[in-house]
Amino acid sequence: DAGITQSPRHKVTETGTPVTLRCHQTENHRYMYWYRQDPGHGLRLIHYSYGVKDTDKGEVSDGYSVSRSKTEDFLLTLESATSSQTSVYFCAISRGVSYEQYFGPGTRLTVT
Amino acid sequence: RKEVEQDPGPFNVPEGATVAFNCTYSNSASQSFFWYRQDCRKEPKLLMSVYSSGNEDGRFTAQLNRASQYISLLIRDSKLSDSATYLCVVNLPANAGGTSYGKLTFGQGTILTVHP
Repeated sequence: DAGITQSPRHKVTETGTPVTLRCHQTENHRYMYWYRQDPGHGLRLIHYSYGVKDTDKGEVSDGYSVSRSKTEDFLLTLESATSSQTSVYFCAISRGVSYEQYFGPGTRLTVT
Repeated sequence: RKEVEQDPGPFNVPEGATVAFNCTYSNSASQSFFWYRQDCRKEPKLLMSVYSSGNEDGRFTAQLNRASQYISLLIRDSKLSDSATYLCVVNLPANAGGTSYGKLTFGQGTILTVHP
């Protein structure tokens, strides 16, 4: 157990509304990641963080922003949700230089 | 060409069978390699890292061929509980200089169903 929680676990929201997903870790890891998983696309990296206030874009970052104001929390925000952002969102942490990642339980987001 | 390619399957095998999954990656500068398993509606979980010399963990054996840019996973004596999607995962450099912040690229997964 890597001590990662995500909230909320399920959310239904309407197109155009802002949504913030939270990832919380208890083990003080430096690296944190947000992915989305969709049928036919597998897991795709949205944004990642390599320290407090240090973030960078992944391959599918359009429409998403992130913030990391403290080590344990990494927030993903959809400024104005669209139906194409309906997906399962996973947060992950990396423990060390070998780069294996450990995932949170996921958030299932539906945008209607 | 996809950065990480896997045969999506599905593979349907009886209990006790031996099954092998293959994966190819396109970037020769890739540094680390992993197999993850993902159960339905759950998060991916690390199954094993893949080392250049090959490595074994119980019924699971992973092989890496850097020259061919090929990774494999062998499962012996399959159990019903092995039914899952198996993800081939590669750590790719973040930029041309080869510096990586540990960004992983995932294959789309191979579905395995083990039946009685």
